[in-house]
Amino acid sequence: AQSVTQPDIHITVSEGASLELRCNYSYGATPYLFWYVQSPGQGLQLLLKYFSGDTLVQGIKGFEAEFKRSQSSFNLRKPSVHWSDAAEYFCAVGGLTDSWGKFQFGAGTQVVVTP
Amino acid sequence: DTEVTQTPKHLVMGMTNKKSLKCEQHMGHRAMYWYKQKAKKPPELMFVYSYEKLSINESVPSRFSPECPNSSLLNLHLHALQPEDSALYLCASSQVVNGNEQFFGPGTRLTVL
Repeated sequence: AQSVTQPDIHITVSEGASLELRCNYSYGATPYLFWYVQSPGQGLQLLLKYFSGDTLVQGIKGFEAEFKRSQSSFNLRKPSVHWSDAAEYFCAVGGLTDSWGKFQFGAGTQVVVTP
Repeated sequence: DTEVTQTPKHLVMGMTNKKSLKCEQHMGHRAMYWYKQKAKKPPELMFVYSYEKLSINESVPSRFSPECPNSSLLNLHLHALQPEDSALYLCASSQVVNGNEQFFGPGTRLTVL
C-alpha cells in the first residue's frame, strides 16, 4: 500500500546535540517530498522540499534533508538543536499521479529538547 | 506578501450556531485547501479549490460548506456542528494543484459545545 512512514513518534534530544528524523515512503515513482514543522497551536511551516536534482537539500532554520532513492527515504537532519526546535515535524509527499492535488502526511514526530 | 492569514484565531460555537472561517492569501496562488487537524495527528484534507472551482471534496459532511469568492479568499461556512468537529482548521494555498509546496495559515481553533 502507498504510505508515508515516520517511524519515531517521539524523540528527545539535548540542546546542542544533533537531530535526525526519519521518513520513508512507499510509492511506485519518486514523489515530491516535503518536511514541515508545527509549533503548538500553530500552522505548518515548510522547512524544505525535494522535487529532483541534488539529493541533499538545504532548508530554513539550519535543517537539511537527504533523499535516498535506494532506501525510499527522506531523512531530516540538524547538526545542533536549539530549544526553539521543539515542535511536531511532518514528512509529506505530493505530486502523486493517483492522488492529484493531495498531500500524504506522515503521522508526525514530536521533538522534545532538554537543557 | 508570502503568508496565508486566517480569521478568527479562536471560535467557540454551539451546535445550532452558524459561523464562518475565513482564509486569505495574496501570493497569486490558484489552489486553496481546507484541512482539519485533531491533536497529535497530521492534517486531514477536506476540500481543494483550483482556479476558484471546487476540485476535491473528501466526503466531508454537508454541515461544512466551502466557498471561494475570488482567487485570494476562501471561506468555510459552519452550521449545526457536532462536538467531534472541534479541531484546528487549517487553510493552505499553492501555486497550482500539482504537488507544489503548500503554504499554511496559522489555523482557527474551533470548539463546538
